[in-house]
Amino acid sequence: DAGVIQSPRHEVTEMGQEVTLRCKPISGHNSLFWYRQTMMRGLELLIYFNNNVPIDDSGMPEDRFSAKMPNASFSTLKIQPSEPRDSAVYFCASGPSHSNQPQHFGDGTRLSIL
Amino acid sequence: GQQVMQIPQYQHVQEGEDFTTYCNSSTTLSNIQWYKQRPGGHPVFLIQLVKSGEVKKQKRLTFQFGEAKKNSSLHITATQTTDVGTYFCAGYFGNEKLTFGTGTRLTIIP
Repeated sequence: DAGVIQSPRHEVTEMGQEVTLRCKPISGHNSLFWYRQTMMRGLELLIYFNNNVPIDDSGMPEDRFSAKMPNASFSTLKIQPSEPRDSAVYFCASGPSHSNQPQHFGDGTRLSIL
Repeated sequence: GQQVMQIPQYQHVQEGEDFTTYCNSSTTLSNIQWYKQRPGGHPVFLIQLVKSGEVKKQKRLTFQFGEAKKNSSLHITATQTTDVGTYFCAGYFGNEKLTFGTGTRLTIIP
């Protein structure tokens, strides 16, 4: 069974550039989550979707961050313009329903902004 | 706000020793989950506890959920090098968001 698929695995870019992270959830999962992990702040929930609809984006750090889920099999997290403090590992996770269920994480995207 | 605190932040043990990590919330949890993240990897679901006072075992791992559903623990008996990683608890407070604890990083001294 295919798990959550994220791309790219690694991204190195200069500050000011647009960054787009991609995620394909597990087929049949209704919920999708974007997390950011850093040494300083740990694992932070940025935004989550249920049935392709954004439910809570209170974790999105600022207007430079945006996320979309145009269909059940694809989501993007975009940073524009990127800044060095955005450097982190970004995880996408999906779950079979909208609450109280285990989440399945992708391998993450390691983002470095120079 | 709804937070889940986890202690200790780091734990170094000799191989064969036991290990315990504790998770605490100021408010009642609907349920609690535990995840393991290997170095360089992603969090992987281990188990979910739902009932007050629940205890579950997975081989050398024992998971407990407190009677008040505000705390939980993970105990590993006779650690092995394969146990290395960061262990996270994560709780549901009745909404749809899973709130992760700060994690306990376990290192094993061979």
